[in-house]
Amino acid sequence: GENVEQHPSTLSVQEGDSAVIKCTYSDSASNYFPWYKQELGKRPQLIIDIRSNVGEKKDQRIAVTLNKTAKHFSLHITETQPEDSAVYFCAASLTGTASKLTFGTGTRLQVTL
Amino acid sequence: GAGVSQSPSNKVTEKGKDVELRCDPISGHTALYWYRQRLGQGLEFLIYFQGNSAPDKSGLPSDRFSAERTGESVSTLTIQRTQQEDSAVYLCASSRGQGGPYEQYFGPGTRLTVT
Repeated sequence: GENVEQHPSTLSVQEGDSAVIKCTYSDSASNYFPWYKQELGKRPQLIIDIRSNVGEKKDQRIAVTLNKTAKHFSLHITETQPEDSAVYFCAASLTGTASKLTFGTGTRLQVTL
Repeated sequence: GAGVSQSPSNKVTEKGKDVELRCDPISGHTALYWYRQRLGQGLEFLIYFQGNSAPDKSGLPSDRFSAERTGESVSTLTIQRTQQEDSAVYLCASSRGQGGPYEQYFGPGTRLTVT
């Protein structure tokens, strides 16, 4: 089955700096890669996703890049703000059917003033 | 519209007792998922439903765990003879079904504590 590895497990950046979180996956058939943000005590919420037919997607301060050959994808947050502090999870799944997400172990991002 | 809801929000039970956790998905979402999140850890897939059928039960940890869905709506996750290692937050998610994948919308979770 699919295995997703995520790093770093914790990341501390100063407000205004950029943050990068990286994930690798094992199943070359996976072709849908969402990122979820989970604030303390809250439910995970989708912040951005990418499908394998594109290499990059951007939404304001958030971007995701995908390298299918190397089987890795990354989340980039620019101009970080204190409200970006949360745990971020990457995930992978197959398209074409409703199917489970295999999640990474999470990155705790702390944005300091 | 209403999001995914789960009940109870918190459940404390004694080791060996059975518990039932409920999930109400977003209306019209044919796919429904159960995940488990242990403290400080990632989300672990348990089972998913397409309609009332469960094509993938591969994540259920043991035969003490079972789930059902009726009316292509409400789902119940049952844990029999609970053990302390079952303590976790159980998250339910729903999404549109065939032709996806589509965004999975999560409920607030049920925090289960087995004493």
